[in-house]
Amino acid sequence: NAGVTQTPKFQVLKTGQSMTLQCAQDMNHEYMSWYRQDPGMGLRLIHYSVGAGITDQGEVPNGYNVSRSTTEDFPLRLLSAAPSQTSVYFCASSFTASSPYEQYFGPGTRLTVT
Amino acid sequence: ILNVEQSPQSLHVQEGDSTNFTCSFPSSNFYALHWYRWETAKSPEALFVMTLNGDEKKKGRISATLNTKEGYSYLYIKGSQPEDSATYLCACHGGSQGNLIFGKGTKLSVKP
Repeated sequence: NAGVTQTPKFQVLKTGQSMTLQCAQDMNHEYMSWYRQDPGMGLRLIHYSVGAGITDQGEVPNGYNVSRSTTEDFPLRLLSAAPSQTSVYFCASSFTASSPYEQYFGPGTRLTVT
Repeated sequence: ILNVEQSPQSLHVQEGDSTNFTCSFPSSNFYALHWYRWETAKSPEALFVMTLNGDEKKKGRISATLNTKEGYSYLYIKGSQPEDSATYLCACHGGSQGNLIFGKGTKLSVKP
């Protein structure tokens, strides 16, 4: 199994540009989520999904959209990038949302918005 | 929103020292407590998932305890090694939805 994969690893955007961060998992996990990691802030939940076709907002959803058309994929869209979205983004998945299974994290995407 | 606190923020120890750090969380509506190990330039990896009051889990030289009634968990590392250097995150489930609320982590540096 590849586990959780994310692309790209690095990205530089200009203010106002849009882009999609890709996340995929091959473990047939129901639950997938996106976090951002900023210095001194820890990991903060952006959006999550408890299954295909179901998504919901986390702690810091503004400026981001998600969709979950398949079990495997959970892309994160930045609609109009802002410097405040400069961060490291992690995608994570776990077997199910209804039991306390560990989460598996992808390698991260480092995004810089200038 | 749950508030998960970790202390200390950072810790510097010598190789061979044993160390421990704390995770505090609200004891009401507790569902599960996770510990993750996060090495620089890598992604977090799960160490333990704990659900029961009084639970104690062990993996090699690392162990964790859980007190859900008073809202804290301890992570212990026995005989620290340089390869233990990492940030240790704890996270608490806010309920049965699977969402984790993370603390800010304890950064451990082990000097040879």
